[in-house]
Amino acid sequence: AQKITQTQPGMFVQEKEAVTLDCTYDTSDPSYGLFWYKQPSSGEMIFLIYQGSYDQQNATEGRYSLNFQKARKSANLVISASQLGDSAMYFCAMREGRSSGSARQLTFGSGTQLTVLP
Amino acid sequence: GAVVSQHPSRVICKSGTSVKIECRSLDFQATTMFWYRQFPKQSLMLMATSNEGSKATYEQGVEKDKFLINHASLTLSTLTVTSAHPEDSSFYICSARDETLRTGMYFGAGTRLSVL
Repeated sequence: AQKITQTQPGMFVQEKEAVTLDCTYDTSDPSYGLFWYKQPSSGEMIFLIYQGSYDQQNATEGRYSLNFQKARKSANLVISASQLGDSAMYFCAMREGRSSGSARQLTFGSGTQLTVLP
Repeated sequence: GAVVSQHPSRVICKSGTSVKIECRSLDFQATTMFWYRQFPKQSLMLMATSNEGSKATYEQGVEKDKFLINHASLTLSTLTVTSAHPEDSSFYICSARDETLRTGMYFGAGTRLSVL
């Protein structure tokens, strides 16, 4: 079963508008962390935002916020006031807790290609 | 600035040759590094976990003799693609964990390998 699901292969948004990128996850581990990364065409992975499973409040970083709904196992990324430079691939990822093994690597979703229109 | 350095960023080689990719953590020690492979417009697929001072742990389906991993120090892991073939052409990207930070998972800029 997919651990991280991103159901939107592509999204379009008008410049200056807000956009929500969906992410759902599956884990039985009570301790986990959720990450969002941006990957422009250059290939580098740029860390955007992190949400821990025990965090009481939704994470925010500048124009990025994470709509964390634990019961639904969703961690959607909201980008406010979109800019042309936001056009990129966006990946949701999860790192499970110690009960899942010692390495604690990230598992990635399939990604969403966001295009910001002028 | 970058906290994980990956080199080279791009390599073109002939079929049958071996290619070494380096991944260095710059500001922290990383007992664990990860190597991913990414095909165009697809997600990152974990190939192996590199453990300092011990053998790497490979994911199912990844040939350990094909993709040699060496994690000789706390700041350096290398991936060697041995006897490369055109089907090995891909984007390889490493990441390193800074265990002092909750969100400390940093990525290199990636290596684009093209095997002719």
